[in-house]
Amino acid sequence: GENVEQHPSTLSVQEGDSAVIKCTYSDSASNYFPWYKQELGKRPQLIIDIRSNVGEKKDQRIAVTLNKTAKHFSLHITETQPEDSAVYFCAANFNKFYFGSGTKLNVKP
Amino acid sequence: GAVVSQHPSWVICKSGTSVKIECRSLDFQATTMFWYRQFPKQSLMLMATSNEGSKATYEQGVEKDKFLINHASLTLSTLTVTSAHPEDSSFYICSAFSLAGADYNEQFFGPGTRLTVL
Repeated sequence: GENVEQHPSTLSVQEGDSAVIKCTYSDSASNYFPWYKQELGKRPQLIIDIRSNVGEKKDQRIAVTLNKTAKHFSLHITETQPEDSAVYFCAANFNKFYFGSGTKLNVKP
Repeated sequence: GAVVSQHPSWVICKSGTSVKIECRSLDFQATTMFWYRQFPKQSLMLMATSNEGSKATYEQGVEKDKFLINHASLTLSTLTVTSAHPEDSSFYICSAFSLAGADYNEQFFGPGTRLTVL
């Protein structure tokens, strides 16, 4: 099955700085790569996604890049704010979704 | 966006009892539903894939006789934890996925069910 690795496990940044979270996947058939934000005790919320026929996608302060050859994709958050503090998960999908191990982002005011 | 509900939101039960969790897609038909388990400070682990009208497909290491999944309609899937034990205490989340009319693969998550087994 698919194996998704995510780094770092924790990330602490100062408000206004950028944050980057990286994921790698193993199954070249995976064609959809969503990123989720999860607050404690709540469901994951989709924040951005990218399909395998696209290399980059941006939505305001959030962007995702995909390198199919290297099988890795990254989440970029610019101008971070304290409310961005949460756990972020990447996932890779072909017919099923496999999640990375998560990154706890702490944005310090 | 599409709405998925889960019931109950939390449950406390005694060891040895069975617990049923319902997952419903409220405004769309879900051809496929997924069940995940999430332990504290860990990621979502896929337990099984549930397709309407057919048997669920379980991930390696998940006991199908312990975690019974039924997907009898296009809007409802149930997960029954049989003979629950304290180690089954976890956050169980379902998600629904519809191919009908969709040009992408987004899944819609339920709010989760917190199971505590005493």
